[in-house]
Amino acid sequence: DSGVTQTPKHLITATGQRVTLRCSPRSGDLSVYWYQQSLDQGLQFLIQYYNGEERAKGNILERFSAQQFPDLHSELNLSSLELGDSALYFCASSVGPQGRSGYTFGSGTRLTVV
Amino acid sequence: QQPVQSPQAVILREGEDAVINCSSSKALYSVHWYRQKHGEAPVFLMILLKGGEQKGHDKISASFNEKKQQSSLYLTASQLSYSGTYFCGTEGRSNFGNEKLTFGTGTRLTIIP
Repeated sequence: DSGVTQTPKHLITATGQRVTLRCSPRSGDLSVYWYQQSLDQGLQFLIQYYNGEERAKGNILERFSAQQFPDLHSELNLSSLELGDSALYFCASSVGPQGRSGYTFGSGTRLTVV
Repeated sequence: QQPVQSPQAVILREGEDAVINCSSSKALYSVHWYRQKHGEAPVFLMILLKGGEQKGHDKISASFNEKKQQSSLYLTASQLSYSGTYFCGTEGRSNFGNEKLTFGTGTRLTIIP
């Protein structure tokens, strides 16, 4: 157990639907990162929050949004889902905003859009 | 831009050595290395922050050549537990500050008895 908790582990939904993925960072970590992993793209950075504020944005689609709450857990909202959104979504956390002690990853949420 | 890793895949017998390379087209501030076993989360191995820095634990070590914008991961006397996909993550350096971690496409390492 890495200390980063992601729920749900698996999600199957239809195209056009909206889902919410949840992440609780490791105790003491203030940064939360979201990554998308698909077979042909590797780990793609989506967005980072640090202590409740958006810190950095990657190639996140406009249909996707995220937030970090006062208790530091984070949610990634995916809407108007398409088949191509099927992927493994990882949340990672780190102590500081730069992740210089490394990222701790959760076990991921596998999203299947049918 | 995504860093390029080589080789894409390698098969070794237990006890053999391997080198995995990571190259970036951009100036780098740091390089991370992670290992991901099938169906599991990536696990942090080490971070290199300074050009010329070398680090290691057990029989896994890494070096960072800042001038060449490259890092290499060395696995010595490989064990079955070393099997998995290895990712480098690079943090670029720009005039606007350091950029977020960008991961390479991975190197799949298979160790056979």
